[in-house]
Amino acid sequence: GAGVSQSPRYKVAKRGQDVALRCDPISGHVSLFWYQQALGQGPEFLTYFQNEAQLDKSGLPSDRFFAERPEGSVSTLKIQRTQQEDSAVYLCASSLDNRGNTGELFFGEGSRLTVL
Amino acid sequence: RKEVEQDPGPFNVPEGATVAFNCTYSNSASQSFFWYRQDCRKEPKLLMSVYSSGNEDGRFTAQLNRASQYISLLIRDSKLSDSATYLCVVPNYGGSQGNLIFGKGTKLSVKP
Repeated sequence: GAGVSQSPRYKVAKRGQDVALRCDPISGHVSLFWYQQALGQGPEFLTYFQNEAQLDKSGLPSDRFFAERPEGSVSTLKIQRTQQEDSAVYLCASSLDNRGNTGELFFGEGSRLTVL
Repeated sequence: RKEVEQDPGPFNVPEGATVAFNCTYSNSASQSFFWYRQDCRKEPKLLMSVYSSGNEDGRFTAQLNRASQYISLLIRDSKLSDSATYLCVVPNYGGSQGNLIFGKGTKLSVKP
C-alpha cells in the first residue's frame, strides 16, 4: 500500500476487555515498530520487529501487552484486561531496512484506544 | 534531567514571522537528532535530520550545539500550514534500532 495502515482507527473498550490492534506496514519494509502516545505526550517506544523476529520488547509496559508479526508483514498488538491507563493512541511505524536509528520511520495514523 | 526536553509552547506567531524552538538532551553520546512534525490527530512525520552541526532545508534550519547539548529548529517566513506540533527526537542508544526517544513536542500556531 501507499503508507502504513492501522485498524481500527478508534476503539472503545470497557475496563477488563481484551483488544487487538492491527498494523499493515509499507510493502517490503523489514522493520516494524509500535509506539504509544498518551494525550499531550510524545510517542513512547513499545517494541520492534525485524521481519518476524521481535528483537526488542523493552518498552512494553506490562505482561498484558503482547505483539506479534508471524509472517514478517502484518503485525498485531494485543492488550489483555485493559485498564484506563492504557487509553492512548497506538502508533505503528515501519522502515525499509534496519536503519531505524537514522530516524526515518514512517508512521501510520494510529489506533486511538479509550478504556472506560 | 529528562532525556529529551522541549518547551511545550504554544508559540503563537503571525504569518511571515521567524520562530525558533529549542530542545535539550541528556545523553552526551548522542550522534544523530531529528525533528518530526505532527499535525493535530495525525501521525508524526520526519521533518529534518541533524547529523553534524546543522542542516538547512528551505525555510527550515536545524542547529546542533553539542557542548550545551541542545538542538534548535528555526522556521523563517512562517506559513499558516506550519501550524503543528514539532517533536524533538533522539535515538535511544541503549536500545535497538528504531527505539527513538521523543520529546513532548512544541506546539506552533501561525495566525493570519
